[in-house]
Amino acid sequence: QKEVEQDPGPLSVPEGAIVSLNCTYSNSAFQYFMWYRQYSRKGPELLMYTYSSGNKEDGRFTAQVDKSSKYISLFIRDSQPSDSATYLCAMSVSTVYDKVIFGPGTSLSVIP
Amino acid sequence: GAGVSQSPRYKVAKRGQDVALRCDPISGHVSLFWYQQALGQGPEFLTYFQNEAQLDKSGLPSDRFFAERPEGSVSTLKIQRTQQEDSAVYLCASRVGSYNEQFFGPGTRLTVL
Repeated sequence: QKEVEQDPGPLSVPEGAIVSLNCTYSNSAFQYFMWYRQYSRKGPELLMYTYSSGNKEDGRFTAQVDKSSKYISLFIRDSQPSDSATYLCAMSVSTVYDKVIFGPGTSLSVIP
Repeated sequence: GAGVSQSPRYKVAKRGQDVALRCDPISGHVSLFWYQQALGQGPEFLTYFQNEAQLDKSGLPSDRFFAERPEGSVSTLKIQRTQQEDSAVYLCASRVGSYNEQFFGPGTRLTVL
């Protein structure tokens, strides 16, 4: 079993839909949780960053962390075609220095 | 430039050939990471530098992989005697210090025939 699991999709939604992306993990020591967006043939870019359990909102994006269930989510409201990309969850034990462990990514297409 | 740059963007190598992949981090960024991303997978950690010191190389898959950052800025990832399983995108990321976001380059897509 991999440390971080993520449904690879592909996920296809109509423009304006609410998108829910999820990851599960096995290492209870993870404390820092991130979501990256990766466009085709580009490097990942950081979207959201949360510490421990709870919610964080940034514009159309909301990240949720449930450490008791080892489950994290990213919600995208009013999805746009420009949101079409691969979404990678990532996590680490600390930020001082620690390996960031990435999920395999979910491919999302938002259809106009 | 403003971001992390990598060269070449694409590299085709014959099996057994040596390759060198270059990363130019954002100026002033202390930390530098190399990742390997196979098709349909997330990036996997290879190695980490703080300035010129290689603090962690536990992710390097074999002794054919070698990375250096001699002056604490530009880094080179070298793969000797390439194998087909080395085919992947190699990503470089840098960050200012310990508590900050990693900024990724566009990657080098290596294809070994």
